[in-house]
Amino acid sequence: QQQVKQSPQSLIVQKGGISIINCAYENTAFDYFPWYQQFPGKGPALLIAIRPDVSEKKEGRFTISFNKSAKQFSLHIMDSQPGDSATYFCAARSGNQFYFGTGTSLTVIP
Amino acid sequence: GAVVSQHPSWVICKSGTSVKIECRSLDFQATTMFWYRQFPKQSLMLMATSNEGSKATYEQGVEKDKFLINHASLTLSTLTVTSAHPEDSSFYICSASRDIYGYTFGSGTRLTVV
Repeated sequence: QQQVKQSPQSLIVQKGGISIINCAYENTAFDYFPWYQQFPGKGPALLIAIRPDVSEKKEGRFTISFNKSAKQFSLHIMDSQPGDSATYFCAARSGNQFYFGTGTSLTVIP
Repeated sequence: GAVVSQHPSWVICKSGTSVKIECRSLDFQATTMFWYRQFPKQSLMLMATSNEGSKATYEQGVEKDKFLINHASLTLSTLTVTSAHPEDSSFYICSASRDIYGYTFGSGTRLTVV
């Protein structure tokens, strides 16, 4: 059973546009929601993370929006650049375990 | 800070041989490390939780005799794929945590069994 559902599976965005990736969960025990960026052949790297007591967190061009009542959170990449082309994973933590979404392959075209 | 080094980055081995992958936390101590497996274009699948000084905790369906995990010190965990077969070919990734929020991943190991 997929604990964290992520969509879309793939996304193509024009340079300068906004990329939006969505995740949903059911387990209310989750207390930490990170997003990871992974380039081919590399391990995931932490991009940005949020705790459930905050509705939004922004770091540079990356913003997480968190809706606790709907059990949904999303990643927004503003002014998307070709260098942002990668696979993005959302995750949720319960205890010391992380549960990952299925990933979104983002392609930013010039 | 919070650097996790994984070695080797890629390895090719013959079927039936064993391969060891190392995961080191370079600037912090990690009582717990995690090993993941990732198939092409898929998400990370947790294989096991490696605990320093004790036995690893394996996820359901992961063969503990095939994927040997040793967490010998607070900065080193190793994954040994024993009697490797082509179906074991995959991308293996470790992660470690400095604190309850900061999980850092290694750069991954591409294993190809021929």
